[in-house]
Amino acid sequence: GNSVTQMEGPVTLSEEAFLTINCTYTATGYPSLFWYVQYPGEGLQLLLKATKADDKGSNKGFEATYRKETTSFHLEKGSVQVSDSAVYFCALSVGNDMRFGAGTRLTVKP
Amino acid sequence: GAGVSQTPSNKVTEKGKYVELRCDPISGHTALYWYRQSLGQGPEFLIYFQGTGAADDSGLPNDRFFAVRPEGSVSTLKIQRTERGDSAVYLCASSAAGGPSEQYFGPGTRLTVT
Repeated sequence: GNSVTQMEGPVTLSEEAFLTINCTYTATGYPSLFWYVQYPGEGLQLLLKATKADDKGSNKGFEATYRKETTSFHLEKGSVQVSDSAVYFCALSVGNDMRFGAGTRLTVKP
Repeated sequence: GAGVSQTPSNKVTEKGKYVELRCDPISGHTALYWYRQSLGQGPEFLIYFQGTGAADDSGLPNDRFFAVRPEGSVSTLKIQRTERGDSAVYLCASSAAGGPSEQYFGPGTRLTVT
């Protein structure tokens, strides 16, 4: 079946630190891959996506590259800010089947 | 424009009661999804509508759960004979089309079964 495994949190970083949140997937077919973010008190919103192998999704300084050979879609940001504190969800879709990881809570301290 | 809205935002009910949760998708979005999110977990797929029909209901946990979308817009998730294990946040999302199109999520309904 289709599933997503992402790095367990919580993750606590100082402002301007480098961020990596690992995500690996298992899928039948050719999935599209997503990172969603949930800021405190808000709903889930799409952060970035990649629809085929070697694509790089990017938004707000975050990046993730679709790696078919390692079945991974790790989220990175070179310099985090306090405002990046949120819960991050890796997700995949194959057709209409969408699966989410358990989420990683990031806290950035000034 | 208006995003996805869900009502009520919170619902507390007693074990064994019936509840209805409502979702108003973004206008014009043909695809609508229901998810359930338990504490510390990611959203878990329940059901997907394309237009008025349920294209995939494989995520519904049992026959106590049912959802409708009679006019292809608003959807209602119905839970019969609620159990304490049904307590969770129920999320609705819509997209302009199915598949890898971006899904826009509502704020969720927090259901508590006492």
